[in-house]
Amino acid sequence: GAVVSQHPSRVICKSGTSVKIECRSLDFQATTMFWYRQFPKKSLMLMATSNEGSKATYEQGVEKDKFLINHASLTLSTLTVTSAHPEDSSFYICSARVGTINQPQHFGDGTRLSIL
Amino acid sequence: DQQVKQNSPSLSVQEGRISILNCDYTNSMFDYFLWYKKYPAEGPTFLISISSIKDKNEDGRFTVFLNKSAKHLSLHIVPSQPGDSAVYFCAASALNTGTASKLTFGTGTRLQVTL
Repeated sequence: GAVVSQHPSRVICKSGTSVKIECRSLDFQATTMFWYRQFPKKSLMLMATSNEGSKATYEQGVEKDKFLINHASLTLSTLTVTSAHPEDSSFYICSARVGTINQPQHFGDGTRLSIL
Repeated sequence: DQQVKQNSPSLSVQEGRISILNCDYTNSMFDYFLWYKKYPAEGPTFLISISSIKDKNEDGRFTVFLNKSAKHLSLHIVPSQPGDSAVYFCAASALNTGTASKLTFGTGTRLQVTL
């Protein structure tokens, strides 16, 4: 149980393109999902907390207009990187929590985004 | 400001022996700790967690120890198997601050289990 699916797994696109990444909880409902970014040989950095039916909460230094988050249902959150540039190239991972706040987050397999 | 630190970037252990991965934290508000395992090009997989009201939690070959006074936790894997070779992340959250279980991750330790 507690499977989180992330799509696509890899994206290569031109600078200026907007890219949408989907995160789905397959066998449970998630009122809260999280979006992380990982640079090479670095830790996972939380970008934002996605709440179903309300606005996402962004971490300090993360541009809301750059990284649009939509959590339209209890099983789907999307992250759109708008007008992507080479510096946005990174590994983006989502997670979802099962149940209450003292339960672990379960992660998707990540999306490798490469902007040319 | 790295609030969760894993000072050993890599560790090599022989198959069958014990692997000990360490993690230190600085934020005294952290009260829930987790270990994740990550293979290349995959998302982290949850291994084991511990609440600050405990000092030990065991699940099969995996045991996590928490020393609150030292702000230190460790993951013990016994016996180590080649399939355990991966990057291990320590993570912490402050449930009592109502931050919706926001996780702060360490930088990871790459474990290699040799034959």
